[in-house]
Amino acid sequence: QVQLVESGGGLVKPGGSLRLSCAASGFAFSDYYMSWIRQAPGKGLEWVSYISSLGDTINYADSVKGRFTISRDNAKKSLYLQMNSLRAEDMAIYYCARALYITGAYYYGLDVWGQGTTVTVSS
Amino acid sequence: SYELTQPPSVSVSPGQTARITCSGDTLPKQYAYWYQQKPGQAPVLVIYKDTERPSGIPERFSGSSSGTTVTLTISGVQAEDEADYYCQSADSIGTLWVFGGGTKLTVL
Repeated sequence: QVQLVESGGGLVKPGGSLRLSCAASGFAFSDYYMSWIRQAPGKGLEWVSYISSLGDTINYADSVKGRFTISRDNAKKSLYLQMNSLRAEDMAIYYCARALYITGAYYYGLDVWGQGTTVTVSS
Repeated sequence: SYELTQPPSVSVSPGQTARITCSGDTLPKQYAYWYQQKPGQAPVLVIYKDTERPSGIPERFSGSSSGTTVTLTISGVQAEDEADYYCQSADSIGTLWVFGGGTKLTVL
């Protein structure tokens, strides 16, 4: 079945780095835009970044631009998020999600989500 | 930065109709999407492209759009619909995606 499984979360000190991974299965990963979304404890959803199917178009939220890097390996059906210079406000559950692809057109709605991986930033 | 505005909370009795609004300047030009999130779970897409319903989502969920406001309507609300609901859209050129602040639906 269609599935996304995140990994790589954990405890990191302020200023530290972490690399999140998202393994996709059950669909043609290379056909889809992918995205990272986060949710701080008790807060709402925040879009973080997206990457096009071939990796040639990338965008970031202002809150992470210059510190986070999204990438993908279509051969490994995997999505990544490299997070550097982590701050307390980056502490959240990080979800990877698949963007809609309908009859050859891309849309930014997210139809498949992983269960998330938790990032804790604390000294 | 671009923002979408939702009411923090909406309350309805079982069997009644719940309407959750989302306002944003680019909504006349950009599609809106709606998600349901229950405690401890990942979000689920319930409406896409303003008015379309994914397979498996009950017919009581519907979406509409008028100017700078989109609305998620849940007809005949059931206890299981109690959840947080988020709208999502994009800036005017579609490069920056954004979520609304979320609305907690309480079924009385």
